[in-house]
Amino acid sequence: SSDLTQDPAVSVALGQKVRITCQGDSLRSYYASWYQQKPGQAPLLVIYDKNNRPSGIPDRFSGSNSGNTASLTITGAQAEDEADYYCNSRYNNGNHWLFGGGTKLTVL
Amino acid sequence: QVQLQESGPGLVKPSETLSLTCAVSGASISSDYWSWIRQPPGKGLEWIGYISYSGSTNYHPSLKSRVTISEDTSKNQFSLSLKSVTAADTAVYYCARLRIVGPTSDFDYWGQGTLVTVSS
Repeated sequence: SSDLTQDPAVSVALGQKVRITCQGDSLRSYYASWYQQKPGQAPLLVIYDKNNRPSGIPDRFSGSNSGNTASLTITGAQAEDEADYYCNSRYNNGNHWLFGGGTKLTVL
Repeated sequence: QVQLQESGPGLVKPSETLSLTCAVSGASISSDYWSWIRQPPGKGLEWIGYISYSGSTNYHPSLKSRVTISEDTSKNQFSLSLKSVTAADTAVYYCARLRIVGPTSDFDYWGQGTLVTVSS
């Protein structure tokens, strides 16, 4: 499949660890990047180049890749991490880009 | 600090052309790739296309027949034109910088987004 598949919703208790996954054939060839989007705001890059964080992103955010699956892990989730999270990568042909459907993270 | 700012009409009539501009500061559009991405209300993100540092373009296959992305290097801005719009094109439109390095890529800077509604 050329799609990137994400679970629609995930919840985590405050301070606990949560993993958000993204599956797609293109992830065997291309790394995923991850974006956090809060209501009314533009998406914010949180993980790039497999497991790198832009300046200002807390180190509780990390990324990993295995086969056709990319994962975003938040270790010690905080209330402010409640948001929608999108993965992104290229299509298999390498010429176009696609986003996963998004995962709504709830921090309980 | 790289900043992007979208501008353009917030309301477009069906069958007409949607036109938006993205003004870039803190970086030159003669470097990197510059993209448009949209998000229908309550839905996910969709990549529309990009214009490269050399002026070449690349579009999403489903929009290719209706989309044109162009640049004005003298003003350091790039533009989106989407023709024959329908209600399905109603969305928040974002401009963003696309970085491509080998197998890795990401959209590292985004504009705040602008809502475009298609309605008569």
